[in-house]
Amino acid sequence: AQTVTQSQPEMSVQEAETVTLSCTYDTSESDYYLFWYKQPPSRQMILVIRQEAYKQQNATENRFSVNFQKAAKSFSLKISDSQLGDAAMYFCAYSPTHSGNTPLVFGKGTRLSVIA
Amino acid sequence: KAGVTQTPRYLIKTRGQQVTLSCSPISGHRSVSWYQQTPGQGLQFLFEYFSETQRNKGNFPGRFSGRQFSNSRSEMNVSTLELGDSALYLCASSGTTDTQYFGPGTRLTVL
Repeated sequence: AQTVTQSQPEMSVQEAETVTLSCTYDTSESDYYLFWYKQPPSRQMILVIRQEAYKQQNATENRFSVNFQKAAKSFSLKISDSQLGDAAMYFCAYSPTHSGNTPLVFGKGTRLSVIA
Repeated sequence: KAGVTQTPRYLIKTRGQQVTLSCSPISGHRSVSWYQQTPGQGLQFLFEYFSETQRNKGNFPGRFSGRQFSNSRSEMNVSTLELGDSALYLCASSGTTDTQYFGPGTRLTVL
């Protein structure tokens, strides 16, 4: 079974600084998707960024970027120029790319605090 | 496009009762998935529907059931509620990109 591990239960960052959240996963599949979702206090799960395993180029969305290391099964999220609104739980998630939608497997999450 | 909507947002029930939660996906999305989120177990997959058919199912007892209508709206039902069913229930829809977009959730409290 696939598993996703987030080893940092909590992280903090100063406003305007950069922070990196870690995620490792275990799978025997060769093609899959990886995601980072953000869950603020409102509890709405918001997609931050998506990476397709067959693409070697790391995904980027504005201040958010990933470091995808397929051989190491590592998928970290870097947040640049941190803002107060970035404070939230961040979940790393995995999904294989079989035909048909398959369930997301989530890590336990990392709670990010942003200090003004 | 409007996002995923879930109703109701909050629900309080007592043990033994049953509850029905509703989810309307993003327009054009045919897949709807349901997840349970609790502090102890984290996010766990319940089931997924595509074109009115259950395509995937998680490891939950038969008290948890769901269905999908022809307009892709989905409902999930929990019968004979237990205290441990208190959770945030999240619905997600996806289209052709296999990326799941979540609704705001329904917070269920069982007393």
